[in-house]
Parts: sequence; structure tokens; C-alpha cells
Amino acid sequence: KQEVTQIPAALSVPEGENLVLNCSFTDSAIYNLQWFRQDPGKGLTSLLLIQSSQREQTSGRLNASLDKSSGRSTLYIAASQPGDSATYLCAVGNAGNMLTFGGGTRLMVKP
Amino acid sequence: ETGVTQSPTHLIKTRGQQVTLRCSSQSGHNTVSWYQQALGQGPQFIFQYYREEENGRGNFPPRFSGLQFPNYSSELNVNALELDDSALYLCASSLPGNRGETQYFGPGTRLLVL
Repeated sequence: KQEVTQIPAALSVPEGENLVLNCSFTDSAIYNLQWFRQDPGKGLTSLLLIQSSQREQTSGRLNASLDKSSGRSTLYIAASQPGDSATYLCAVGNAGNMLTFGGGTRLMVKP
Repeated sequence: ETGVTQSPTHLIKTRGQQVTLRCSSQSGHNTVSWYQQALGQGPQFIFQYYREEENGRGNFPPRFSGLQFPNYSSELNVNALELDDSALYLCASSLPGNRGETQYFGPGTRLLVL
């Protein structure tokens, strides 16, 4: 059974800092890995999708890497801003694109 | 192009009642998945529908059931509600693909069971 873990569970940083969020998964037989953002009480917004054959994806200040063999992914956020404050969720997809989520990292960026 | 919509936004029910939640998928998306998110936790996969057929199911009891309609909209039905069913229910739509496509989530329905 696939299990996804995110560390840290919560993070508070000053504005402008570069930061790394970690995600690990137990079964390396994944088809993709997705990072989502969730604002309080809201749905999920897709940030980045990495296919199993890829090593990384970039979008603006965000960069996500994938190491399937070690069961790890990282989300790098450059020059953090208060608007980045949210919960970040990592999810791995199987052959049918059914997602298994981690518990999330709650990020607070202080002005 | 409209995004994924869900109704209602909030709902309060009592134990033992039944509830139906609705989801309209993003235009052109024929795959719909439902997730349950308890407070402070990540979403858990309930089931997925593709072309009106259940395509996969997570670890949820049979009192959680669903439907998908020819226009790809979907319903989640929960019978005999329990207190632990209180959660945010999320619907996501996507195109089918061999390696998975980005899933687009709706805003969710927050269910409170008293």
C-alpha cells in the first residue's frame, strides 16, 4: 500500500527566504507525482506535475524534483512571498491516475 | 472554458441520514475522481469514474457510492451518515492518459454530520 509522507508538517519563514518542502513515498511504481497548493477551506490548485520518466519541472519561482528510485520529491520555492502562505500537498498517481496524498506542509511566510 | 464546480458548498446532516453531493467536470474531461479530506489531513481517494463506469475505488465502505452521467457530471452518495464522515469532499476532473494527466479540483463541499 502506497504511503506518502511530507516533512515538515509546518514551516514559518521570513519573506524572501528560499525554502524546500519534502515528500517521500514508499512504492516507487508511480506514474506521476503532483504538487498542489490549498488555501484554507478551499479546493486544490495544481502547481506542478512530474511524469515518472522526468526528473524535474519548473514553473516561475517553483521547481519540483523527482527521484523515483529513492522515493523522494522536493518542492523548491525561491524568494518566498506572503502570498505563498498555504498548505502544500504532494500526491503520487498510479496507472489510473488515482492519487495518494501526503498530509501536507503548512507554510507561513511572514512579511 | 469553465472549471470544476461542486454543489452545495456547505451541508449539515445528522447521523443516519443520506446525502448527495454533485460535481460538474471541466469541459472535455471524462474522468472524475472523488476525495475525502478530514480536517488537518491530506485528501483520501474514494473512487473514480470514467465514461459512466466506476474505474477504481479506495478503502471506503459500500455506503459510499457514485454515479457519472453522459455529460460527465458526477454524484457522490453517502448513506447512513456517521460522525466521522464530517469532512471536505473534493471532486477532480481530468483527461484519461497512459501516464496520468493533471487533475483539476473543485472548491469542495464541506459536510458536517451532527
